[in-house]
Amino acid sequence: SAVISQKPSRDICQRGTSLTIQCQVDSQVTMMFWYRQQPGQSLTLIATANQGSEATYESGFVIDKFPISRPNLTFSTLTVSNMSPEDSSIYLCSVEARERYGYTFGSGTRLTVV
Amino acid sequence: DQQVKQNSPSLSVQEGRISILNCDYTNSMFDYFLWYKKYPAEGPTFLISISSIKDKNEDGRFTVFLNKSAKHLSLHIVPSQPGDSAVYFCAASVAGNTPLVFGKGTRLSVIA
Repeated sequence: SAVISQKPSRDICQRGTSLTIQCQVDSQVTMMFWYRQQPGQSLTLIATANQGSEATYESGFVIDKFPISRPNLTFSTLTVSNMSPEDSSIYLCSVEARERYGYTFGSGTRLTVV
Repeated sequence: DQQVKQNSPSLSVQEGRISILNCDYTNSMFDYFLWYKKYPAEGPTFLISISSIKDKNEDGRFTVFLNKSAKHLSLHIVPSQPGDSAVYFCAASVAGNTPLVFGKGTRLSVIA
């Protein structure tokens, strides 16, 4: 199955700043998904990133707050902009792992906003 | 509206016994279901899946059962081991390369 390298693994950021999270996949994939897991909550989809087109955002998430880039079929970034403490979460990227019909996740970015 | 529900936030089981984790869903369009295991500070790890054309799928100590009429699935782990202690997420999707919808997870503790 695909292997995803996600970084940074964790960060502590000041309120009002932005953080860009990177995901690199070892194979070409059509779609990449970005999730957020707030403390004690489930994984929630933020957006789906297609190469060559704008990301598709879920209800409650907007491009100005979570801009996504997808410059090629193996790489994507998610930026958390103008951060507030409510953005403190684990952020994960994911791709479909065709071999086992599952999905592979990055190791996650644990973000703390102070 | 939560489409995938895991109503038990936590479960404790003795080592060697069976662990049963339950999941209910409301969207009848879901036709593919997955279970993930997540340790602290790590991303979720795929465990086992089942498509809607089956009612059971086994992989070693893990078995997933699907009851479509009840919109219910369960994950059985037998025998349970201390290393199985983690949070287990149930997830569902419609066919194709579509994003998953997750439950809130059940924290399993296997006691030695």
